[in-house]
Amino acid sequence: AQTVTQSQPEMSVQEAETVTLSCTYDTSESDYYLFWYKQPPSRQMILVIRQEAYKQQNATENRFSVNFQKAAKSFSLKISDSQLGDAAMYFCAYRSWGGSEKLVFGKGTKLTVNP
Amino acid sequence: DAGVIQSPRHEVTEMGQEVTLRCKPISGHDYLFWYRQTMMRGLELLIYFNNNVPIDDSGMPEDRFSAKMPNASFSNLKIQPSEPRDSAVYFCASGSQGTGGYTFGSGTRLTVV
Repeated sequence: AQTVTQSQPEMSVQEAETVTLSCTYDTSESDYYLFWYKQPPSRQMILVIRQEAYKQQNATENRFSVNFQKAAKSFSLKISDSQLGDAAMYFCAYRSWGGSEKLVFGKGTKLTVNP
Repeated sequence: DAGVIQSPRHEVTEMGQEVTLRCKPISGHDYLFWYRQTMMRGLELLIYFNNNVPIDDSGMPEDRFSAKMPNASFSNLKIQPSEPRDSAVYFCASGSQGTGGYTFGSGTRLTVV
């Protein structure tokens, strides 16, 4: 079974600075998706960014980018120019490609943005 | 598109009562998921459906939990009888194969007293 590990329960960053959230995963599959979801205090789960494992290029969405290291099974999220609205829980998630459709989540990292 | 719609947003019930949580997925999505979120266990998959058929219910805690998807526009999750340990936020999510990520509803916060 696949597992996702987020080793940083909490992180903080100064407004306008850059922060990187870590995620590692374990799988024997070669094809899969990886995601970062954001959960603000409103508790809505919001998809931030996704990465297909077959793509070597790291995904980017505006201020959000990932560092995907397939051999190391690592998938970190970088947030540039942090804003107060980025404060939230961030969850890393895994989904098989062609297997089970379920998302497997990490425990999350709570990000605080200091003004 | 109104997104995934869940109701109620909050539910407070007494132990032993039946609880019904509802979900309307995004039109056209053929997958529907029920997740439970607690501080101790994080986000856990309870069950998911494909084209209204349950595919994996291995996460359903016990017989007190049941979920149905009578049509492509609606699913419910029932707990009978409810217990205090069922207190959690329950999320519904929907998506389509090959699209990658899924869209989540706003969740139902269930408190069993």
